[in-house]
Amino acid sequence: QVLLQQSGPGLVKPSQTLSLTCAISGDSVSRKNAAWNWIRQSPARGLEWLGRIYYTSKWNSDYAVSVNSRISINPDTSKNQFSLQLNSVTPEDTAVYYCARDGAWDVWGQGTTVTVSS
Amino acid sequence: DVVLTQTPLSLSVTPGQPASISCKSSQSLVHGDGKSYLYWYLQKSGQPPQLLIYEASKRFSGVPDRFSGSGSGTDFTLKISRVEAEEVGVYYCMQNTHLPLTFGGGTKVEIK
Repeated sequence: QVLLQQSGPGLVKPSQTLSLTCAISGDSVSRKNAAWNWIRQSPARGLEWLGRIYYTSKWNSDYAVSVNSRISINPDTSKNQFSLQLNSVTPEDTAVYYCARDGAWDVWGQGTTVTVSS
Repeated sequence: DVVLTQTPLSLSVTPGQPASISCKSSQSLVHGDGKSYLYWYLQKSGQPPQLLIYEASKRFSGVPDRFSGSGSGTDFTLKISRVEAEEVGVYYCMQNTHLPLTFGGGTKVEIK
């Protein structure tokens, strides 16, 4: 059974960096033919895909245009996890953030509510 | 980006009665491999979305056979043959044929 366990702060100040981690059990962040994603959900924007990483013979990433200049998703193979960093946050980045695995898209993290506020 | 339009926005159903939700795509979701990467989810309050249907018509493991998905190209439908009380929540369609991944706006299902 594959599980994704999210961790990270629930409150971030405007202009600072949002950082979340998604720990994987039952699968490997380095497995080929798998992509590891971050998705967020807010009343204003609905469900919004932010980006993904995946390993072929090297690490690859794709990001949504809306956050492309502010986002970084990185693997940590030693801990079998991946992380999200979103820079220069504003209140519009307030949302529930989810990590998820592609394929059947059946595996999601539990969600982390992140509020951007001073 | 692919826009997924779900209708209706909300649905009030008597337990045991059927329900149907439509998801229309702004582009064909047929991938080069011939599959349509259209998914259906149910999101209950405070939980992540839970997968019901993948690749337009394949029922995910453990999902009751009262749920069925159909469609191809740009028009897709989720049908519930008999709605049960625990199936209230918001239903979403999602496409992964084209990057970026996109979601429909959701259909809220409540029980009468």
